[in-house]
Amino acid sequence: DAGVIQSPRHEVTEMGQEVTLRCKPISGHDYLFWYRQTMMRGLELLIYFNNNVPIDDSGMPEDRFSAKMPNASFSTLKIQPSEPRDSAVYFCASSLGGGGGYTFGSGTRLTVV
Amino acid sequence: GQQLNQSPQSMFIQEGEDVSMNCTSSSIFNTWLWYKQDPGEGPVLLIALYKAGELTSNGRLTAQFGITRKDSFLNISASIPSDVGIYFCAGRISGTYKYIFGTGTRLKVLA
Repeated sequence: DAGVIQSPRHEVTEMGQEVTLRCKPISGHDYLFWYRQTMMRGLELLIYFNNNVPIDDSGMPEDRFSAKMPNASFSTLKIQPSEPRDSAVYFCASSLGGGGGYTFGSGTRLTVV
Repeated sequence: GQQLNQSPQSMFIQEGEDVSMNCTSSSIFNTWLWYKQDPGEGPVLLIALYKAGELTSNGRLTAQFGITRKDSFLNISASIPSDVGIYFCAGRISGTYKYIFGTGTRLKVLA
């Protein structure tokens, strides 16, 4: 099993630019989660999907953030426009059923300058 | 909002020593998870706990789901250098599949 695959691993962009982060969950998993990790706030849940449908997006910081899951094998997290305070490591995770533990990807380290 | 407090924040120990860390909350959780994160990687699940009082082991790791359902504990026996990393607890909010993560315990092992 290839695990949860995220791309890119690193992204450096200028303030105001659009950023798209990508995630391929583990095949067969029906839950997908997007987390953000910073030194100040730790790991924060942004949004999660069940069977491609967004269930809870209450953690999305503001309207500049959006997430989609067009099919069971792909999800994107988009930030537009990006700001320096969005700099963080963004993790995608997936699970079969939502109640047990997730499998995390390796993350995308985003730096907005 | 709900928060999980982990202690200690960091610790240095000698190789071979046992390690204990805990996680406490003001809220009740139905599931507790323990993860380990290595630099530059995502957290990796170590142990999952589903019932109050449950004690579960995974090799040298043992975790317990507190009776009050507001806390959990992780013990590592006979630590080795590869135990270095950050350990996170996570509690599941009742009625949802949302997990709140703790602040982490950074473990450093001196050979």
